[in-house]
Amino acid sequence: DAGVTQSPTHLIKTRGQQVTLRCSPKSGHDTVSWYQQALGQGPQFIFQYYEEEERQRGNFPDRFSGHQFPNYSSELNVNALLLGDSALYLCASRKRQHNQPQHFGDGTRLSIL
Amino acid sequence: GENVEQHPSTLSVQEGDSAVIKCTYSDSASNYFPWYKQELGKRPQLIIDIRSNVGEKKDQRIAVTLNKTAKHFSLHITETQPEDSAVYFCAPYPTGDYKLSFGAGTTVTVRA
Repeated sequence: DAGVTQSPTHLIKTRGQQVTLRCSPKSGHDTVSWYQQALGQGPQFIFQYYEEEERQRGNFPDRFSGHQFPNYSSELNVNALLLGDSALYLCASRKRQHNQPQHFGDGTRLSIL
Repeated sequence: GENVEQHPSTLSVQEGDSAVIKCTYSDSASNYFPWYKQELGKRPQLIIDIRSNVGEKKDQRIAVTLNKTAKHFSLHITETQPEDSAVYFCAPYPTGDYKLSFGAGTTVTVRA
């Protein structure tokens, strides 16, 4: 039973570029959330997808966008990259029912030069 | 939104001693209370959770206690071991809210 998988594991980009990160949820999970974790801080919620729609969004600019596919996998897109976007991007999945635990992937380490 | 505070921010304990981390939250609608452990460079891992219909839950050396009236819950680690060294996050979760609001984390160091 595969857990949450993310790709790529590491990525280096320059300012102004665009990036796409990918996430496959744990088997049986239908809801995917994305988090940004800067060094030494707790994860910050970006947004969550269920039934291919964005259901809730944190305090992130429109440069951050996402998508969920019919197989529940998801993408996170970030445009016009800034130095401050350097972070670990975590994907978490869960079953939609209330109070179900979220399970995290290993994350994508994004470095902006 | 949920305002979450963790105390202490750092905790150093001697191997074999106990460690306690407290998490205070603001949203009285919260009814799911997980604790995550994150080792350096790794993913947050769910180590224990509790729902609002119980006050305490134990799993071997780890326990979580909940006080809904005071809006706080605590992580207890007994007989600490070096592998317990990590950053621990609480993330209370209100019904109808789809996001986890993480505390700032507590860095636990277990001295051998």
